[in-house]
Amino acid sequence: NAGVTQTPKFRVLKTGQSMTLLCAQDMNHEYMYWYRQDPGMGLRLIHYSVGEGTTAKGEVPDGYNVSRLKKQNFLLGLESAAPSQTSVYFCASSEGLGRIYEQYFGPGTRLTVT
Amino acid sequence: KNEVEQSPQNLTAQEGEFITINCSYSVGISALHWLQQHPGGGIVSLFMLSSGKKKHGRLIATINIQEKHSSLHITASHPRDSAVYICAVNYGGATNKLIFGTGTLLAVQP
Repeated sequence: NAGVTQTPKFRVLKTGQSMTLLCAQDMNHEYMYWYRQDPGMGLRLIHYSVGEGTTAKGEVPDGYNVSRLKKQNFLLGLESAAPSQTSVYFCASSEGLGRIYEQYFGPGTRLTVT
Repeated sequence: KNEVEQSPQNLTAQEGEFITINCSYSVGISALHWLQQHPGGGIVSLFMLSSGKKKHGRLIATINIQEKHSSLHITASHPRDSAVYICAVNYGGATNKLIFGTGTLLAVQP
């Protein structure tokens, strides 16, 4: 099993450009999450999904959109990138409902917006 | 003030030393997680605990629910233990969301 994978690993964008980050998991997990990690700050939740076809806002959703059309994939979109979105983005997944589960993280995507 | 506070922020140790990293949180939780992140690397879950103590190899995690405090101990530290150690809490509910501390950067020198 590959676990959680993310595409791409690195990307440089110019201000105003758009892009989509892809997260895929092969563990049949119900829940998926997108986080950003910035120096001196803890991981912060951008958006999450508790099942196929559902999404919800996290702590820092502005400037991002997400979609979960298939259970195994969770896409994070930036419609008009800004320098403030320069960060490392992590996707995670977990089982859902009924109890507390650990989250499994992808390898991260390093995004630079110039 | 962050809901999850870790100390110290940075820690340098000599190989073989016993290491303790602390985590405190402000309100009652359902579970606490310890995670490890190597430089430039991904994030790996080390422990998930809601009471007592767990041990895996040279790593030990403890939690005191009444004091809202957890510790991660590393015995006989090794340079390969050099990483950022992250504490995160789960308040329960239907979303399994985590609130993260800012991490402790550990460097173990040979």
